[in-house]
Amino acid sequence: DVKVTQSSRYLVKRTGEKVFLECVQDMDHENMFWYRQDPGLGLRLIYFSYDVKMKEKGDIPEGYSVSREKKERFSLILESASTNQTSMYLCASSANREAKNIQYFGAGTRLSVL
Amino acid sequence: LAKTTQPISMDSYEGQEVNITCSHNNIATNDYITWYQQFPSQGPRFIIQGYKTKVTNEVASLFIPADRKSSTLSLPRVSLSDTAVYYCLVVLLGNTGKLIFGQGTTLQVKP
Repeated sequence: DVKVTQSSRYLVKRTGEKVFLECVQDMDHENMFWYRQDPGLGLRLIYFSYDVKMKEKGDIPEGYSVSREKKERFSLILESASTNQTSMYLCASSANREAKNIQYFGAGTRLSVL
Repeated sequence: LAKTTQPISMDSYEGQEVNITCSHNNIATNDYITWYQQFPSQGPRFIIQGYKTKVTNEVASLFIPADRKSSTLSLPRVSLSDTAVYYCLVVLLGNTGKLIFGQGTTLQVKP
């Protein structure tokens, strides 16, 4: 079974802090994704990566950056956290571009910015 | 810009068949339409994908009309454990290839 592990289930940070959300997958998948999930809005794509050191903006990249130095790890960075970034963050991976629609998700990190 | 529309919520009773429809325009002609299921405190889980007509697996069926402007997830004889949020996922038309999730349908199955 594919396992996608997010480093924290719950995180509380203060406004202005730099926040790192880490995600690791163990199936040698090429693609990795970061989403945020908010009530009534579903899942919205923040950033994705089809290969190491590659990244592409999703629908809501503002206020976020990402890093993919190794194939198995995809990090989401909030340079200066704000209260409107309080949300559930979900990481996912998929095998390759051809199977990009079949994604395996982590359990999520619920981030609260105070 | 592609947009998806799903009902926000649905109620059903155990043993009934449930159909959830997702409307989508401007989706890529050569990509799958995919559905996910999400339980509380878990990430979404892939359940089925289809390109056209009908696809069936051990969990659900997926109906896609020829114009691909909608898709219907069918859950046969639901049980309490099917209570979850269901999302459709489509790919944008054009060379961006971006993925778009619907807003999700919360299905409540009652005894």
